[in-house]
Formats: sequence, structure tokens, C-alpha cells
Amino acid sequence: TQLLEQSPQFLSIQEGENLTVYCNSSSVFSSLQWYRQEPGEGPVLLVTVVTGGEVKKLKRLTFQFGDARKDSSLHITAAQPGDTGLYLCAGLSGGYQKVTFGTGTKLQVIP
Amino acid sequence: EAQVTQNPRYLITVTGKKLTVTCSQNMNHEYMSWYRQDPGLGLRQIYYSMNVEVTDKGDVPEGYKVSRKEKRNFPLILESPSPNQTSLYFCASRSPAETQYFGPGTRLLVL
Repeated sequence: TQLLEQSPQFLSIQEGENLTVYCNSSSVFSSLQWYRQEPGEGPVLLVTVVTGGEVKKLKRLTFQFGDARKDSSLHITAAQPGDTGLYLCAGLSGGYQKVTFGTGTKLQVIP
Repeated sequence: EAQVTQNPRYLITVTGKKLTVTCSQNMNHEYMSWYRQDPGLGLRQIYYSMNVEVTDKGDVPEGYKVSRKEKRNFPLILESPSPNQTSLYFCASRSPAETQYFGPGTRLLVL
């Protein structure tokens, strides 16, 4: 079974601070996705990275896929209360059919 | 509006009483999937389906069945529920561009 470990598990920061969430595995994935989940709702896709070393930016969020396609990071600049939520990474394999989710990082941004 | 719907949203049942959670999508997606979400374990894939009459096991298929008789529907069947199947369940469907859309979730309690 493929595993994706996220760190940290919990993060509580002040508004305006920067943070990085890590997603690590010993397995190679075809692509990797990041989701955000609000309480009582399903996860919502933020980004998909496909190529090793790829970097994608979404406003204040920067996503990077490791060169070996085994790990990824999410960096948030100048965090805002609206960024509060559960962040999940997910690795796709087996021709994009199997999806392995990470354990999640619960982020709280305090105004 | 593009959406994935699940019913029921909340369900309390007793051990051994067969139940079905329905899932329907209106986006003509070929790929659909079921996940369960448990604290500390993240989302784990139960079953997925590539197309009508094509289904395969995910990481935690024991105790579950699925069927895909129509493209839009992908019901999850628990023939004999047990307390360890108490969880939050999500159905999802995906476009060819790999944007996965999740339903709102079904919270199941098995007594």
C-alpha cells in the first residue's frame, strides 16, 4: 500500500505569516494533487502537478512537485483567515485510477 | 450546475442491516470513486469505476460492494454493516483533465 505522509499535522499561525506544508512518500506518483476541505464539505481541488520539479502558483499559494515525483510542498505567503482549513495531498498512480491521500494538515490562521 | 450528489447525508443504522448510499453526477464523467474519511487516517479509496460495468478495488474494499449500471450513478452497498464502518463517506467523479469533484459526504453511524 502506498503511503503519503503530511507534516505538520496541525498548524496554528497568525495572519500575515508564511507557512509550508510537506507531503512525502517512498512511492513514485504519476501526478500529485492538493485539496482544501472545509468542515462538513468534500475536498476541493486546488492544483495538479504532473512533471518532476514542476512549480505552480495560485495567488499566494505555491505548489512544488519533487524531482523524483515522490514528494510535494505547499507554501502559503502572508496567510489569511480565509486560508483556514484541512489541506490534503493526493498521489495518482496506476494510470491515474488509484488515488492515495495524505493524512492531512489542519491549518488555523488567527486574525 | 455541475455537481455530485449523495444520499442520505446522515444515516444511523444497526449492525447487519443492509444499506445503500447513492451517488449521482451530472457531468458525464467516466471515472467515479468512493472514499471513507476517518480521523488520523485521511481519505482512503474504497472502490473506483472507470466506466459502466467496470469497477475495481481501492485500498479498503472489505465489507463494501459497488455497481455501475449507468454512467451517472455509482451506489455504495454495505451488505452487513459493522461498527468499524462508522465513518464519513465521499463519492467523487473526475473529468479527463483529472479535476476530481467530491460530493457533500454521508456520515454513517453503525450501532
